[in-house]
Amino acid sequence: DTEVTQTPKHLVMGMTNKKSLKCEQHMGHRAMYWYKQKAKKPPELMFVYSYEKLSINESVPSRFSPECPNSSLLNLHLHALQPEDSALYLCASSQGRGHETQYFGPGTRLLVL
Amino acid sequence: AQKITQTQPGMFVQEKEAVTLDCTYDTSDPSYGLFWYKQPSSGEMIFLIYQGSYDQQNATEGRYSLNFQKARKSANLVISASQLGDSAMYFCAMREGDNFNKFYFGSGTKLNVKP
Repeated sequence: DTEVTQTPKHLVMGMTNKKSLKCEQHMGHRAMYWYKQKAKKPPELMFVYSYEKLSINESVPSRFSPECPNSSLLNLHLHALQPEDSALYLCASSQGRGHETQYFGPGTRLLVL
Repeated sequence: AQKITQTQPGMFVQEKEAVTLDCTYDTSDPSYGLFWYKQPSSGEMIFLIYQGSYDQQNATEGRYSLNFQKARKSANLVISASQLGDSAMYFCAMREGDNFNKFYFGSGTKLNVKP
């Protein structure tokens, strides 16, 4: 089973709202990722958690705040977003022990008004 | 320099025919991994196939095979017997060295399969 789940599937929020994206995997993977993808572009890495510690932050604005409560869960907290933050947000996971294939969730389509 | 280059923004193929999607890469590290992902319009990135730099044989997974030419730094994806469901965006990606968590993605190729 290589399933990564993400909720919600779609999200519309205003620029003053606070919302969270959720990602879950039960494959025993120890690395989890957030990507942002604009239409017709490749995914852009935002954050990586390895063994529940933040290991990579690709200079993402502080209005995006990741959280890894346990090895199966990854959240992305959103606050004071801008319309240009509208995108598909993809979560992925990998074994994290040198087995690097990343398995992606279905994504959350975010629209910021 | 681009780490991964996909030079075909869009491709058409007739159903049941084979198609090759091009990917070239740039790295000086002897250890790297190459991946292909499929992204239908629904958005999910689906892992298709992996090739390690030290693998002696080309990777195959069902109708997908990877034509790995190390000297040319190319890792083309071959899809045999195309199906309508193969219509999607295809991304080539690379991991280099010990940086297992960072992927470099190409710009993608949009494949359309015609009935």
